[in-house]
Amino acid sequence: AQSVAQPEDQVNVAEGNPLTVKCTYSVSGNPYLFWYVQYPNRGLQFLLKYITGDNLVKGSYGFEAEFNKSQTSFHLKKPSALVSDSALYFCAVRDYGNNRLAFGKGNQVVVIP
Amino acid sequence: DVKVTQSSRYLVKRTGEKVFLECVQDMDHENMFWYRQDPGLGLRLIYFSYDVKMKEKGDIPEGYSVSREKKERFSLILESASTNQTSMYLCASSKRRHNEQFFGPGTRLTVL
Repeated sequence: AQSVAQPEDQVNVAEGNPLTVKCTYSVSGNPYLFWYVQYPNRGLQFLLKYITGDNLVKGSYGFEAEFNKSQTSFHLKKPSALVSDSALYFCAVRDYGNNRLAFGKGNQVVVIP
Repeated sequence: DVKVTQSSRYLVKRTGEKVFLECVQDMDHENMFWYRQDPGLGLRLIYFSYDVKMKEKGDIPEGYSVSREKKERFSLILESASTNQTSMYLCASSKRRHNEQFFGPGTRLTVL
């Protein structure tokens, strides 16, 4: 079964500094990978996805993620964090031929002014 | 824009009550999902449906049932609510293939 690990519970970063949120995955076949963001008392919003092709994926709000097959990772990055990026971030993975997503436990990102 | 709506943002029920959570999507998506979200546990899949009248169990189906009579609507039913079902419930939908899921705003259910 597919699974995702987000090793850090919380990531603190100063405003203007680079932001990285880590994700590693486990699947039996080729992975479909997703990042979502959740603001307080809201549903999840889609940020970006990797299906195939270029390993560097660009998404909403200036976020990008890099797919690394050898390290089974899909880390989320933003070059310069904003206070408004403070939220809960979820990584998810899906096996080919499977409609289900497996979500990580989430990372709380706190951007300090 | 895809819109997924849930019938209530906040709900308070008593132990033993039958609870209905409704979810509607307006983009003709084949797949619909119900998750619960608890701190430190992330999102856990309760049930999903890939077509009308079709359903499959997720990771934590015990104590829940679902109904999908129309393509746009997916209902989650708690037959006899218990306090350990106090949680945030999220509905999502997606196209049939490898597409992202779109989420509703969530229903925060408290069972007293």
